[in-house]
Amino acid sequence: RKEVEQDPGPFNVPEGATVAFNCTYSNSASQSFFWYRQDCRKEPKLLMSVYSSGNEDGRFTAQLNRASQYISLLIRDSKLSDSATYLCAVINTGGFKTIFGAGTRLFVKA
Amino acid sequence: NAGVMQNPRHLVRRRGQEARLRCSPMKGHSHVYWYRQLPEEGLKFMVYLQKENIIDESGMPKERFSAEFPKEGPSILRIQQVVRGDSAAYFCASSPDRDRQYFGAGTRLSVL
Repeated sequence: RKEVEQDPGPFNVPEGATVAFNCTYSNSASQSFFWYRQDCRKEPKLLMSVYSSGNEDGRFTAQLNRASQYISLLIRDSKLSDSATYLCAVINTGGFKTIFGAGTRLFVKA
Repeated sequence: NAGVMQNPRHLVRRRGQEARLRCSPMKGHSHVYWYRQLPEEGLKFMVYLQKENIIDESGMPKERFSAEFPKEGPSILRIQQVVRGDSAAYFCASSPDRDRQYFGAGTRLSVL
């Protein structure tokens, strides 16, 4: 079983839709969580950190569920420019290694 | 404030040659990470360095691969005697705090 797993998608949604992705992690010692977005053939860009209390940045909301060991990303009012691959990343307690999921691909259509 | 700079952007090598990939972190960042990404796959951690120290190289193959981050100058990922399976995108990231990472544009290595 992979340490960090994501549904590869693709998710095809119309503009204005709300879409949510989950990312599960297997190591209960995981301590830090992040969402990145990656456009085709580009570098990953940090979207947001994920805090225990949840956090919101404009149309994006991230949540952490430690009991079920997953993090989620909610995108409201999807824009064409949101089309990308969304990667979750996890760092384990006392560790340095960042483990990335394989990504969820999102296509937002007009 | 310039971002993370990687060069070259594209590198072509023949089997058996050496590849040197460079990464200059963002100003003020002392943490550097290297990742490899194959087409349609996620990022695979290779190595984490701080100035003059390798902190975690658990993701790096034991042979042919090495990394350094000298006191002066960029971080270098070196691949000796490249093989076709080394063809990939290699990304470097730097961090101010070991958590949030900012990525360079990557080096795409092609081995003929």
